[in-house]
Amino acid sequence: ETGVTQTPRHLVMGMTNKKSLKCEQHLGHNAMYWYKQSAKKPLELMFVYNFKEQTENNSVPSRFSPECPNSSHLFLHLHTLQPEDSALYLCASSQSPDGSGNTIYFGEGSWLTVV
Amino acid sequence: GQNIDQPTEMTATEGAIVQINCTYQTSGFNGLFWYQQHAGEAPTFLSYNVLDGLEEKGRFSSFLSRSKGYSYLLLKELQMKDSASYLCAVRDGDYKLSFGAGTTVTVRA
Repeated sequence: ETGVTQTPRHLVMGMTNKKSLKCEQHLGHNAMYWYKQSAKKPLELMFVYNFKEQTENNSVPSRFSPECPNSSHLFLHLHTLQPEDSALYLCASSQSPDGSGNTIYFGEGSWLTVV
Repeated sequence: GQNIDQPTEMTATEGAIVQINCTYQTSGFNGLFWYQQHAGEAPTFLSYNVLDGLEEKGRFSSFLSRSKGYSYLLLKELQMKDSASYLCAVRDGDYKLSFGAGTTVTVRA
């Protein structure tokens, strides 16, 4: 248990579906992140939120739409995805997005398969 | 962009020592992290280095040389449960965290 909970753990969706991934952190952190992890590739940062405000969008296609209603919850809304979007999507949180000593804590991820 | 390199795979015997190297080229430096990730699970924090030298935590140690852009993670007295992927991550001058592709360590009996 890392203090960061993601649901669902597994999701299969068609290319025309709309679905959402949910993340909740119980660590009292102010920054939350979405990362994409594909096989044999480095983790790719997608979005960063600090105090509910988006501070970074790493050139992510608009078919991925994040939402951060408060510092404890983060969503990733998915629409019209492509098969190459199939990956493990990891949510993470930290005390703040910067600061050299900040440790990022990850959730267990949501396995997404686009068919 | 940032460049972080680590070996893809390593195999070692139970009870042995394994050293996972990580080299990096980043625009500025504000710390290096090592994470462990078991298959299907969350990456979990192992160590953090921001100054040169060795940080020891039980069976795991991490070393950093900023002038060489080099770090290693040392796993001693290997156990079967240490079979996992080990991720090197560097925080650059803008405090952005970039990850290597990970090193899969397989521990054999």
